[in-house]
Amino acid sequence: QLQLQESGPGLVKPSETLSLTCTVSGDSISSSDYYWGWIRQAPGKGLEWIGSLQYSGRTFYNPSLESRVTILGDTSKNQFSLKMRSVTAADTAVYFCANTKGEPFYFDNWGQGTLATVSS
Amino acid sequence: QSALTQPRSVSGSPGQSITVPCSGTSSDIGAYNYVSWYQHHPGKAPKLILYDVSKRPSGVPARFSGSKSGNTASLTISGLQADDEANYYCCSYAGSYTFGLFGGGTKVTVL
Repeated sequence: QLQLQESGPGLVKPSETLSLTCTVSGDSISSSDYYWGWIRQAPGKGLEWIGSLQYSGRTFYNPSLESRVTILGDTSKNQFSLKMRSVTAADTAVYFCANTKGEPFYFDNWGQGTLATVSS
Repeated sequence: QSALTQPRSVSGSPGQSITVPCSGTSSDIGAYNYVSWYQHHPGKAPKLILYDVSKRPSGVPARFSGSKSGNTASLTISGLQADDEANYYCCSYAGSYTFGLFGGGTKVTVL
């Protein structure tokens, strides 16, 4: 059973970089056909897709966030990460990592989420 | 792209059927059959309940069904149960590798 667990600092200062990691157990992030993604939910708001990492290393980003976001995979640790630069209070959210196999248009396996707060 | 449009809330009595609409455009829902739905109980991980408009993942009851007409997708929950009370989000491919355009979410209340 594939399991995902988010981790990272709960508090980030405005204008700094938010860094989160998703640790995967149960399969390799480089296994064929997998897509690994980040989704967030700001307080009182809906879900927002941030971006996805294909098993090959190719990345895909939400156009509204693309200029500030980088998703990378680390096969040695079987993790993938999210870096979001120049954060503001509007980036305060619960961040979920998730994955799917085959089609990149949905996520059928999710982590529990981690709250990241942007505040000075 | 703008978020997909969902009603803020829908309610129904146990045993009834309810439908949650999700409105998009000809560039997302209208263009692709890549609509998915998620059930989200606050504080928990979202759960995929429908994908490719109307397909159910293993383990999701047949009470959950999906459809699409034009630029609008719909989630129908039949035989409403107390545990169905949750937030529901639609999601669509929006082209140009924008894999996940979500709706704002609908709170389903079981009266």
